[in-house]
Amino acid sequence: AQTVTQSQPEMSVQEAETVTLSCTYDTSESDYYLFWYKQPPSRQMILVIRQEAYKQQNATENRFSVNFQKAAKSFSLKISDSQLGDAAMYFCAYVSGAGSYQLTFGKGTKLSVIP
Amino acid sequence: EADIYQTPRYLVIGTGKKITLECSQTMGHDKMYWYQQDPGMELHLIHYSYGVNSTEKGDLSSESTVSRIRTEHFPLTLESARPSHTSQYLCASSVTGGVNEKLFFGSGTQLSVL
Repeated sequence: AQTVTQSQPEMSVQEAETVTLSCTYDTSESDYYLFWYKQPPSRQMILVIRQEAYKQQNATENRFSVNFQKAAKSFSLKISDSQLGDAAMYFCAYVSGAGSYQLTFGKGTKLSVIP
Repeated sequence: EADIYQTPRYLVIGTGKKITLECSQTMGHDKMYWYQQDPGMELHLIHYSYGVNSTEKGDLSSESTVSRIRTEHFPLTLESARPSHTSQYLCASSVTGGVNEKLFFGSGTQLSVL
């Protein structure tokens, strides 16, 4: 079974600075997808960024980028120029490419942004 | 933002009561999901549906049941609530067609059973 591990329960960053959230996963599959989801205090989950395992290029979405190390099974999220609105729980998630649509989530990292 | 709605937002109820958590989406998505989330913990899939009249149990065993009579509606029912059912319940939907499709989540229902 696949597992997703987020080893940082809480992180904090100064406004305008850069922070990196860690995520590692365990799988025996070669075809899969990885996601970072944001859950702000309002509780509605929002997709931040998505990475296809077959792509070597790291995904980027504005201030959000990932460092995808397939051999190391590592998928970290970098947030640049942090803003107060970035404060939230961040969940790393995995889904198999073998026809399953069920996501496996990590436990989450609570990010605080200090003004 | 996503057009997926959950009601009620908060629910406090006594042991033994029957409850139904509502989830509706207006995007025409075929796939819908129910996740359970305890504070500080990961989300666990408890039910999912690939379309009308299709329901399956997820990874986490749950005493709840679901139904999918209409595409837009995916209610979750607990016949007899117990304190162990206290949790956050998140509904989600996605478009048919690919494993990398985006999941849209509702705002969640925080259930407390006394």
